[in-house]
Amino acid sequence: GNSVTQMEGPVTLSEEAFLTINCTYTATGYPSLFWYVQYPGEGLQLLLKATKADDKGSNKGFEATYRKETTSFHLEKGSVQVSDSAVYFCAPYNQGGKLIFGQGTELSVKP
Amino acid sequence: NAGVTQTPKFQVLKTGQSMTLQCAQDMNHNSMYWYRQDPGMGLRLIYYSASEGTTDKGEVPNGYNVSRLNKREFSLRLESAAPSQTSVYFCASSREGYTEAFFGQGTRLTVV
Repeated sequence: GNSVTQMEGPVTLSEEAFLTINCTYTATGYPSLFWYVQYPGEGLQLLLKATKADDKGSNKGFEATYRKETTSFHLEKGSVQVSDSAVYFCAPYNQGGKLIFGQGTELSVKP
Repeated sequence: NAGVTQTPKFQVLKTGQSMTLQCAQDMNHNSMYWYRQDPGMGLRLIYYSASEGTTDKGEVPNGYNVSRLNKREFSLRLESAAPSQTSVYFCASSREGYTEAFFGQGTRLTVV
């Protein structure tokens, strides 16, 4: 079956620092890949997505590239802000059409 | 634009009680999901419905039942609540498989 592994948190950064959150997955096919973000006390929102190999998803300064050869979808941002403090989830679809989630990575950005 | 609406937002149950969590979406989506979120565990899929009239088990279905009442509504029932079911429950919907999922605000359930 499919599974997804994310970098463990919490991650604490200073404002304007560079962010990387690693995500790797195992899949029997090549699923669509998503990053979701959960702000405190809220539900999940889609941050970005990629639907095929070598696709780059981007939104709000965040980027992630679907790397088929390494089965990875690492999230990056060049300069984080305090408002980026949240929990980030990597989520591939499996071949059965079910969206599965990593354990989440909590990011805390200090001024 | 309501999106995905879950009720109730908070609930406290005693062990052995039953309850139904309601979920409705107004986006004409085919697929709907129920997840539970526990600290350090991410979101785990309880049940999935690819379309009206169909349901499928996810990773953690034991102790739960679901009903896809119509295209809009997907309810989750706990027949006999246990403390291990204390969690935050999220409903989600997507137009179809492999497309963006939209989430409700969650239901925080405590079983004492």
